[in-house]
Amino acid sequence: ETGVTQSPTHLIKTRGQQVTLRCSSQSGHNTVSWYQQALGQGPQFIFQYYREEENGRGNFPPRFSGLQFPNYSSELNVNALELDDSALYLCASSFWDRGAGELFFGEGSRLTVL
Amino acid sequence: DAKTTQPPSMDCAEGRAANLPCNHSTISGNEYVYWYRQIHSQGPQYIIHGLKNNETNEMASLIITEDRKSSTLILPHATLRDTAVYYCIVRALSGNTPLVFGKGTRLSVIA
Repeated sequence: ETGVTQSPTHLIKTRGQQVTLRCSSQSGHNTVSWYQQALGQGPQFIFQYYREEENGRGNFPPRFSGLQFPNYSSELNVNALELDDSALYLCASSFWDRGAGELFFGEGSRLTVL
Repeated sequence: DAKTTQPPSMDCAEGRAANLPCNHSTISGNEYVYWYRQIHSQGPQYIIHGLKNNETNEMASLIITEDRKSSTLILPHATLRDTAVYYCIVRALSGNTPLVFGKGTRLSVIA
């Protein structure tokens, strides 16, 4: 158990809708990153937040956006859902000042877009 | 794109050592080698990381060749619970660079 919790664990949306996924970081961690994992693939980096600001982004369109709150919890928002957005969305927390330290992942939120 | 190459799958008998290879021939001097694993339907789990010296912890050992172009993750006594996808990742030392996952190696531990 990593202490990173995500909600909801599963959800179903239809194309064009919007979704918000939530993540609670491990205690003491000030950095959160989000990854998308399609079926049969490795996780792909979406973006990272530190001190409530986006600090690094992967190859994802602007309809993927996020927030980090003062308590270091985080949200991932996806607008105008497309079928290809169906995936497992993983949140990972870490401590910025440890540089290349380990990331602790949650169990993920599985999104199905119909 | 991932900077590592791993075999897509491997089998290992329960109780035996599992040796998972990884090639990272373009690794830079400031990049670490990380290993994570993902058990079915769970988030990735950190195993170990190293720069150039061999490393050991309670889960595994990491052997990095002298030229740093390849490495081997060793699970000394594999159990059925070690069945998972194992990812080898190179990651820069500085900053909080993201993890770049490839497809990993699917390890099946067989009774």
